[in-house]
Amino acid sequence: GENVEQHPSTLSVQEGDSAVIKCTYSDSASNYFPWYKQELGKRPQLIIDIRSNVGEKKDQRIAVTLNKTAKHFSLHITETQPEDSAVYFCAASDPLTGGGNKLTFGTGTQLKVEL
Amino acid sequence: DGGITQSPKYLFRKEGQNVTLSCEQNLNHDAMYWYRQDPGQGLRLIYYSQIVNDFQKGDIAEGYSVSREKKESFPLTVTSAQKNPTAFYLCASSIRGSNYGYTFGSGTRLTVV
Repeated sequence: GENVEQHPSTLSVQEGDSAVIKCTYSDSASNYFPWYKQELGKRPQLIIDIRSNVGEKKDQRIAVTLNKTAKHFSLHITETQPEDSAVYFCAASDPLTGGGNKLTFGTGTQLKVEL
Repeated sequence: DGGITQSPKYLFRKEGQNVTLSCEQNLNHDAMYWYRQDPGQGLRLIYYSQIVNDFQKGDIAEGYSVSREKKESFPLTVTSAQKNPTAFYLCASSIRGSNYGYTFGSGTRLTVV
């Protein structure tokens, strides 16, 4: 099955700096890569995703890049703010027989934005 | 207001008891999932269901059981065979297809006492 590795496990940045979180996956059949943000005690929320036919996607201060050859993808947050502090999870989608999918998640990155 | 609802928010279980966690969605999603979250281990898949009356084991199904009798509902039973059940349990749903993310419920925190 799919295996997703995520680094770093913790990341501390100064407000206004950029943050980068990296993930690798093992299954070349994976074709969809979402990122989730989870604040303490709350549910994970989808913040951005990328499909395998695209190399980069941006949404305001957030961007994701995908390198299918190397099987890695990254989350970039620019101009970080204190409200960006949370745990971030990457995931890779395993296509299933019958047209469904299941996500395999990385172990998470605790991002702390310091004033 | 569309969404996915988990109940209860907190649950305490005695040794040897079975407990059932509820998950209901009104998003008209075909697929539903149960994940377990432990500190430092991310989210691990317990069971998933792509369609009513069908479900499949995930990576850590031992000690758990599910049913999918209705499209809206996917309850998870934590049995006494689950040796370390204390965790945060998340239910999710999605459109059935290979390129769709999940909508998560707010979770149930289960503690063995």
